Amino acid sequence: EVQLVQSGAEVKKPGESLKISCKGSGYSFSSYWIAWVRQMPGRGLEWMGIIYPGDSDTRYSPSFQGQVTISVDKPINTAYLQWSSLKASDTAMYYCAKSSSVGAADGADYWGQGTLVTVSS
Amino acid sequence: SYELTQPPSVSVSPGQTARITCSGDALAKQYTYWYQQKPGQAPALVIFKDSKRPSGIPERFSGSSSGTTVTLTISGVQAEDEADYYCQSADISGTFVFGTGTKVTVL
Repeated sequence: EVQLVQSGAEVKKPGESLKISCKGSGYSFSSYWIAWVRQMPGRGLEWMGIIYPGDSDTRYSPSFQGQVTISVDKPINTAYLQWSSLKASDTAMYYCAKSSSVGAADGADYWGQGTLVTVSS
Repeated sequence: SYELTQPPSVSVSPGQTARITCSGDALAKQYTYWYQQKPGQAPALVIFKDSKRPSGIPERFSGSSSGTTVTLTISGVQAEDEADYYCQSADISGTFVFGTGTKVTVL
């Protein structure tokens, strides 16, 4: 069974750093791109970026380039999303999602359960 | 930046047909994907590559494409179809974007 299991909810202060995770199982982790998606409270979905675990090739949305870092640890089938200095506007639910086609960056057929990040002083 | 435009809301009576459009300049050249999101849940893929249905998705969900507009059609809408729906596609640089989202209300 394909599963993406994300790390738990986080409460942070502005200026702090954070790294959240997404562990894949039940499929060939190295062969499918993993995307990160933001959903601010009461708002729509925003595509942040995508990484290919096979070679760590990464693409960012222009809106998120330089604001976050996407990485992967292939031996432990885990992708990461990290911030070096959080802002209150980073408060949102963050989802990871697996591309539906092997080797291709395309739509997502499996999603993690989401990680709620709250940034407040 | 690249944008995909959807109507904010669609209302439909049970058993009727709901059509949700998604417009974007590059849609004629890139595949579109459609997701359903119910409150408190992660999105779920309902259509991929314009018109293909993942296993487990009811046949009442279908997708079509015409030029720079793609359409998600829900035939014989049921109460359980009430949700937010998002289209997704890529721009020419290979980065993806979601549509603005459509709330489907079953009357």
